[in-house]
Amino acid sequence: ETGVTQSPTHLIKTRGQQVTLRCSSQSGHNTVSWYQQALGQGPQFIFQYYREEENGRGNFPPRFSGLQFPNYSSELNVNALELDDSALYLCASSFLVSGGPYTQYFGPGTRLTVL
Amino acid sequence: EDQVTQSPEALRLQEGESSSLNCSYTVSGLRGLFWYRQDPGKGPEFLFTLYSAGEEKEKERLKATLTKKESFLHITAPKPEDSATYLCAVQASAGGTSYGKLTFGQGTILTVHP
Repeated sequence: ETGVTQSPTHLIKTRGQQVTLRCSSQSGHNTVSWYQQALGQGPQFIFQYYREEENGRGNFPPRFSGLQFPNYSSELNVNALELDDSALYLCASSFLVSGGPYTQYFGPGTRLTVL
Repeated sequence: EDQVTQSPEALRLQEGESSSLNCSYTVSGLRGLFWYRQDPGKGPEFLFTLYSAGEEKEKERLKATLTKKESFLHITAPKPEDSATYLCAVQASAGGTSYGKLTFGQGTILTVHP
């Protein structure tokens, strides 16, 4: 069984640029969530996708957007990068069970540095 | 708003010295509480899911417990390889939807010295 994978591992961008991060869900999972983790902090929820539609969003501006594809892989796009966007970006996949708790399994993350 | 507070922020133990990490939470209906382990520069690794007060789960030297207001992660006779950041997160009920947002605490950095 393949786990959650993310690419690239590291990325360096300059302020104002745009970036796309990619995630492949664990086999059999139908939901993907994205989190931002600043140094020394817990992960912060950005948004979740289920059946190719956004299924919930945290307190992040619209310049953070995403996609989920039919094969359950996903992209996180960030426009107009700011210095504060420097963080570890985590993708988590899960199998959504209506009304019940469901465990999210995380990928290794993409370290984004904005200069 | 859901909140999770972990204590202590950092914990240093000698190998074999048992201790506990605390996770206090406030949530509008708890769907589940999760414990993860995170090594530096890596993604969180799933440890436990707890669903209801009174529940306990064990894995090797780790044991997680849950009450209505907090959870504990007990570490028995730790080894240096248990050194990591331990994260606690809650998933709230959301009125009929399946919105699965996790709200995390800031983590406890555990260091086990040989």
